[in-house]
Amino acid sequence: NAGVTQTPKFQVLKTGQSMTLQCAQDMNHEYMSWYRQDPGMGLRLIHYSVGAGITDQGEVPNGYNVSRSTTEDFPLRLLSAAPSQTSVYFCASRQGPTEAFFGQGTRLTVV
Amino acid sequence: EDQVTQSPEALRLQEGESSSLNCSYTVSGLRGLFWYRQDPGKGPEFLFTLYSAGEEKEKERLKATLTKKESFLHITAPKPEDSATYLCAVQDSGNQFYFGTGTSLTVIP
Repeated sequence: NAGVTQTPKFQVLKTGQSMTLQCAQDMNHEYMSWYRQDPGMGLRLIHYSVGAGITDQGEVPNGYNVSRSTTEDFPLRLLSAAPSQTSVYFCASRQGPTEAFFGQGTRLTVV
Repeated sequence: EDQVTQSPEALRLQEGESSSLNCSYTVSGLRGLFWYRQDPGKGPEFLFTLYSAGEEKEKERLKATLTKKESFLHITAPKPEDSATYLCAVQDSGNQFYFGTGTSLTVIP
């Protein structure tokens, strides 16, 4: 039981490049979400999904896309990377109104 | 607007010196208050969930309490391995999580 797995752990992008951050969970959780963590800002919700085929925007969705074709996977796509998207990204999953389980994070630098 | 404020931002303790971390919140319809521990370069690790005022939870040297406006994480006789950032989060009536910015705890041997 791996929990929540994120790949890659580190990534450097050039401004304007696109990429996908991967997130997979093996707990059969319905609810998955993406956060970004910046110094002094706390964790902020980017997008979330309450089940396969259903996604919605969080607090800071601009510049990011998500899709949820299966229960297990919830990739986050950066359409055209900007330096403001330099951050640490966390994927989390939970079952209903319970605690969330987090992945180990992806540290993204946009130059 | 839902808000979570944690204090202090940073705390340095001698090993064995007990203290408390504070999490104050305003939320529309609290469904739960969560405490997490985060080590450098890692994802947050779940510690406790509190659901109603007056509730308390304990785990080893940690004890979490909840009132209608704030939560405390009490650390009794801390050890160096308790050094980490402690995050507080609230879940509102819409099932959304809001996180505080955390308290960075350093326990000095």
